[in-house]
Amino acid sequence: ETGVTQTPRHLVMGMTNKKSLKCEQHLGHNAMYWYKQSAKKPLELMFVYSLEERVENNSVPSRFSPECPNSSHLFLHLHTLQPEDSALYLCASSPGRPSYNSPLHFGNGTRLTVT
Amino acid sequence: KNQVEQSPQSLIILEGKNCTLQCNYTVSPFSNLRWYKQDTGRGPVSLTIMTFSENTKSNGRYTATLDADTKQSSLHITASQLSDSASYICVVSAKTSYDKVIFGPGTSLSVIP
Repeated sequence: ETGVTQTPRHLVMGMTNKKSLKCEQHLGHNAMYWYKQSAKKPLELMFVYSLEERVENNSVPSRFSPECPNSSHLFLHLHTLQPEDSALYLCASSPGRPSYNSPLHFGNGTRLTVT
Repeated sequence: KNQVEQSPQSLIILEGKNCTLQCNYTVSPFSNLRWYKQDTGRGPVSLTIMTFSENTKSNGRYTATLDADTKQSSLHITASQLSDSASYICVVSAKTSYDKVIFGPGTSLSVIP
């Protein structure tokens, strides 16, 4: 158990579907992140929330829409995705913004397949 | 441009053998360097962290080294076990008002009996 729980673990969706990924952290952290992990590529930072405020948005297409209703929960709403969006989506949290004493704690990810 | 490179891309070793994974980076200003282990179907887990002044850090059978002058790090695994099969990711942080985290592509290690 990592302290960061992601659901669902696997998701298959068509390009016209709307779905949501959920992340919940039980560590009392103030920052939460969405990362995309594609095969043989470095993790790509998508969004950062600090104290429920979005503080970073790395040129992510509008078909990905994050939501952070409180410091323990983070959602990624998906609509009209493309096949190239198929990847492992990782949620992470940290006590504050990343630092020596504030490492990222990752969930086990949602494996998304867009058909 | 801040960048982290790792070699080899993949590696297969026999159980009980040692191996060394490499990480080169061009990240400035440097804050710290972490190695993460990512098991298949799992999220990455931090193994070690080093700052500018630390040359070596051990965590059980894992030993990380850092040469801040040449901007290189290595992760040495001793007496490998089947459970060491995973992706090992080098992550370098650049110092801004907070740490900007840059991930390497990872080295996929397979330990076979």
